Amino acid sequence: NSKVIQTPRYLVKGQGQKAKMRCIPEKGHPVVFWYQQNKNNEFKFLINFQNQEVLQQIDMTEKRFSAECPSNSPCSLEIQSSEAGDSALYLCASSPLGYAEQFFGPGTRLTVL
Amino acid sequence: GDSVTQTEGLVTLTEGLPVMLNCTYQSTYSPFLFWYVQHLNEAPKLLLKSFTDNKRPEHQGFHATLHKSSSSFHLQKSSAQLSDSALYYCASQTGNTGKLIFGLGTTLQVQP
Repeated sequence: NSKVIQTPRYLVKGQGQKAKMRCIPEKGHPVVFWYQQNKNNEFKFLINFQNQEVLQQIDMTEKRFSAECPSNSPCSLEIQSSEAGDSALYLCASSPLGYAEQFFGPGTRLTVL
Repeated sequence: GDSVTQTEGLVTLTEGLPVMLNCTYQSTYSPFLFWYVQHLNEAPKLLLKSFTDNKRPEHQGFHATLHKSSSSFHLQKSSAQLSDSALYYCASQTGNTGKLIFGLGTTLQVQP
């Protein structure tokens, strides 16, 4: 079973509010991914890190989304100004290598009212 | 760009019958392929991963064979169980950043 920890499990925000979620990867996994799973169950890759360095991110992430993985602290994903379309399940996954299987946490379900 | 296609949105079958969920992919390079299973309100869990040496991965009675000639990685099981009811995703992985590209998923409903 995956040992990726995500908090909070549920997050409710108003439009324009900040939304922040956290992820603790499995011990020994230096690579962390963030995905968005929408209400149609479609996955969208957002960003990934190896240790503290960003490997790849999509354009959307560069605008209202920010993420970091500081050493000795949980990784985090923050939406600066939430929009209704951001309502989704945000999944964090970790991996022992960049090119290997990924293990997912339970996700943070964000609802933007 | 790379893509993964799962043609069935919903597969309904009777317990004990064989299961086959389709997955095809498009990629410039030779990707790794994965099957993930997601039960309601749970995280996706890794079910299978393709091997580079063409071995057939198996787990919990499921297996899949990577056919590069047809760009397919169909998921199969000889006998469906009620507990197999879930959402199944096929995903590909290429490139040195490792991001997964998911199909749209297939919901498997196993009936008594």
